[in-house]
Amino acid sequence: AQKVTQAQTEISVVEKEDVTLDCVYETRDTTYYLFWYKQPPSGELVFLIRRNSFDEQNEISGRYSWNFQKSTSSFNFTITASQVVDSAVYFCARLDFGNEKLTFGTGTRLTIIP
Amino acid sequence: DADVTQTPRNRITKTGKRIMLECSQTKGHDRMYWYRQDPGLGLRLIYYSFDVKDINKGEISDGYSVSRQAQAKFSLSLESAIPNQTALYFCATSDLSSSATGELFFGEGSRLTVL
Repeated sequence: AQKVTQAQTEISVVEKEDVTLDCVYETRDTTYYLFWYKQPPSGELVFLIRRNSFDEQNEISGRYSWNFQKSTSSFNFTITASQVVDSAVYFCARLDFGNEKLTFGTGTRLTIIP
Repeated sequence: DADVTQTPRNRITKTGKRIMLECSQTKGHDRMYWYRQDPGLGLRLIYYSFDVKDINKGEISDGYSVSRQAQAKFSLSLESAIPNQTALYFCATSDLSSSATGELFFGEGSRLTVL
């Protein structure tokens, strides 16, 4: 099976620090989508971003930014000036067009220390 | 009201009991999924359905069965629950039309504990 690897199991940073969550994926397909989801302590899954394989342009949304590099099969997520509310488990995921099943990484638990 | 509703939200049961987790959606999506979340393992796909007559096994379907009663309803059953099925279960929907890009819409999760 083609995997999504989040090597960082847990990360802790002090509030206001920047933090980057890594995501590396495997794929044999040319058309696929990549996602990041956030799971706060309340347990629900919150969609953060979706990128398709043809769009390597980096994206910024407020304090969040994403760096998509096909050459290294990576889709990393950076939080700038972290806040306590950013504490959550973050999942990276891949969906192969045609397969239509979302494959998740194992998640990174981020703790922001006040 | 949530677009994807799971019931029950929490259930404690005993080994050997039959359990059904229900999912209903108001988004009009044709695709529905059941995922299981375990600490350190992320979310793993149990079953998925692309329409009422289409049911497919995911990566961890053993010990589970599903029923797609209608486009809006997709139930997950544990015929004889065992302790290692203790987990957080998520239902999700999607609409992979030509213009869609595969975002999943998740329910709030059902926490199942098997004693």
